[in-house]
Amino acid sequence: EAGVTQFPSHSVIEKGQTVTLRCDPISGHDNLYWYRRVMGKEIKFLLHFVKESKQDESGMPNNRFLAERTGGTYSTLKVQPAELEDSGVYFCASSQGYGETQYFGPGTRLLVL
Amino acid sequence: AQSVTQPDIHITVSEGASLELRCNYSYGATPYLFWYVQSPGQGLQLLLKYFSGDTLVQGIKGFEAEFKRSQSSFNLRKPSVHWSDAAEYFCAVGSAEGYSTLTFGKGTMLLVSP
Repeated sequence: EAGVTQFPSHSVIEKGQTVTLRCDPISGHDNLYWYRRVMGKEIKFLLHFVKESKQDESGMPNNRFLAERTGGTYSTLKVQPAELEDSGVYFCASSQGYGETQYFGPGTRLLVL
Repeated sequence: AQSVTQPDIHITVSEGASLELRCNYSYGATPYLFWYVQSPGQGLQLLLKYFSGDTLVQGIKGFEAEFKRSQSSFNLRKPSVHWSDAAEYFCAVGSAEGYSTLTFGKGTMLLVSP
């Protein structure tokens, strides 16, 4: 069974540009999560989808970040416009049920110059 | 608010020696506890988890962890470290009452010397 996949694995963009990250959860997992690790800091929660609905977006840093999960399958996280402080590793995770073990993808390493 | 403390940023252990990585949590309710590992260039892999029951849990790759409620700790142990264990280890906590978020510690980087 395929695990959580993320694309791209790396992205280098200039300040002010737009970047879209994609996450494909494990098939059949209704719950999808985004986390971010800024260099030197903890991995922090961004938001949680249940199917196509946003269950909790309390961790989204500001309105430059937009997450979608149309159709309840894959999810995208768009950063527009990107700022230097957005650099870090963005992880996606999925779980079958609410409160169950979260399985993580390899992450997307974003560098904003 | 819940928090996780991993007091050791880096640890160096000789190959074949035993390992203990410390994790302390602060959480007002019953916690779910996890250890994840991130090898170079890889994603986060679940090593083990504690939800309830036996406080000594076994995980993959020969790791185990012990939940001690009185000390608010969930330390990770391995009796004999292999060079392939060199990685970054993360302790995390979620709510047993139902959670959507995990709170992570800052991670401990394990270096294995020959």
